[in-house]
Amino acid sequence: NAGVMQNPRHLVRRRGQEARLRCSPMKGHSHVYWYRQLPEEGLKFMVYLQKENIIDESGMPKERFSAEFPKEGPSILRIQQVVRGDSAAYFCASSPMGRGGDTQYFGPGTRLTVL
Amino acid sequence: QKEVEQNSGPLSVPEGAIASLNCTYSDRGSQSFFWYRQYSGKSPELIMFIYSNGDKEDGRFTAQLNKASQYVSLLIRDSQPSDSATYLCAGFGGYNFNKFYFGSGTKLNVKP
Repeated sequence: NAGVMQNPRHLVRRRGQEARLRCSPMKGHSHVYWYRQLPEEGLKFMVYLQKENIIDESGMPKERFSAEFPKEGPSILRIQQVVRGDSAAYFCASSPMGRGGDTQYFGPGTRLTVL
Repeated sequence: QKEVEQNSGPLSVPEGAIASLNCTYSDRGSQSFFWYRQYSGKSPELIMFIYSNGDKEDGRFTAQLNKASQYVSLLIRDSQPSDSATYLCAGFGGYNFNKFYFGSGTKLNVKP
């Protein structure tokens, strides 16, 4: 049973470009969470999605950031017009049920560097 | 006030000693708590979770929850250099049922 997969593992973008980060949850998991982690800091919740639905996006910046989890295919975190402050590790986690303290399993992360 | 707070450390203990990692939370409605370990440059990996007051043991790890004091801890017995990592405490539930609140993590150094 494959774990949570994220790609790319490393992404370099110039200021103003777009970044697309992909996450495939564990088999049987239909709930996906995205987190951002700055160097030497903790994880910050960004968004929680189920298939075709955004459940909670309260942690996501209102501009330039968007997320989706289509019926088919991976979840996508999209950052438009990236700035240097977007440089961070972005982790995706998945869980089977998405409620009541359901355990989240993390992918390896995507390290985004904005030049 | 942060939902989950941890001392950033670093916490240094000698090999073979007990490492004690602590976490406090602000929302009394929080129901579940998780401890994750994160090695530098890697993703968090789950160590254990706890729902009920008291202790929960798993191998060398013991999680402790005190809901009255809003306090969670993780004890690591017989600490090994390979335990050196950042330990993240996370709470779930409370006023927002949808998301985990992670502490900023405590860095543990186990010296051989």
